[in-house]
Amino acid sequence: KAGVTQTPRYLIKTRGQQVTLSCSPISGHRSVSWYQQTPGQGLQFLFEYFSETQRNKGNFPGRFSGRQFSNSRSEMNVSTLELGDSALYLCASSFGSGRPRFNEQFFGPGTRLTVL
Amino acid sequence: DAKTTQPPSMDCAEGRAANLPCNHSTISGNEYVYWYRQIHSQGPQYIIHGLKNNETNEMASLIITEDRKSSTLILPHATLRDTAVYYCIGNPQAGTALIFGKGTTLSVSS
Repeated sequence: KAGVTQTPRYLIKTRGQQVTLSCSPISGHRSVSWYQQTPGQGLQFLFEYFSETQRNKGNFPGRFSGRQFSNSRSEMNVSTLELGDSALYLCASSFGSGRPRFNEQFFGPGTRLTVL
Repeated sequence: DAKTTQPPSMDCAEGRAANLPCNHSTISGNEYVYWYRQIHSQGPQYIIHGLKNNETNEMASLIITEDRKSSTLILPHATLRDTAVYYCIGNPQAGTALIFGKGTTLSVSS
């Protein structure tokens, strides 16, 4: 079965621009979570979408937003890019129900964003 | 979510068992312990999870102490491909936000 896919894999932007990243979850998964990974802060949770609704949110500024479509695909948007937004952005999908096994998250390969 | 504490690094010889400890003394009754690993430049990979009982799957075994304050992930026969950062995470049953700590960097050498 196909894994989680993320596009694009690499992206270079300049300060002040905005960017949209895409994530296609594993078929049947209704939950998509987004994470930011930097050398200094490690892996940090951004937000989670379940059935087109944001269910959990991490501690990031409002410049970071996301959405989920009816087919469970998700996009993440960062507006007014800053140098510190350079990071690996990972998305993960899961069934997302309450049972613990359904919280196993399957991660994509990530999008490497560089802000110049 | 429970705060977890792991040693920053460990070494293991190829073919030997790798035992990775995790302290989660603040874990609550409904929080599962999850283990993930991240091989360099890849997304994290789910390994195993448990609540009270010891668990085993094709990748690893998880031993949880009776008081649930700590656990050990066991890779029975480590290979060079097991070199990775291993994360121990406490996560509520209904929650799906994984709060990653700094993890343990396991280096397997021949």
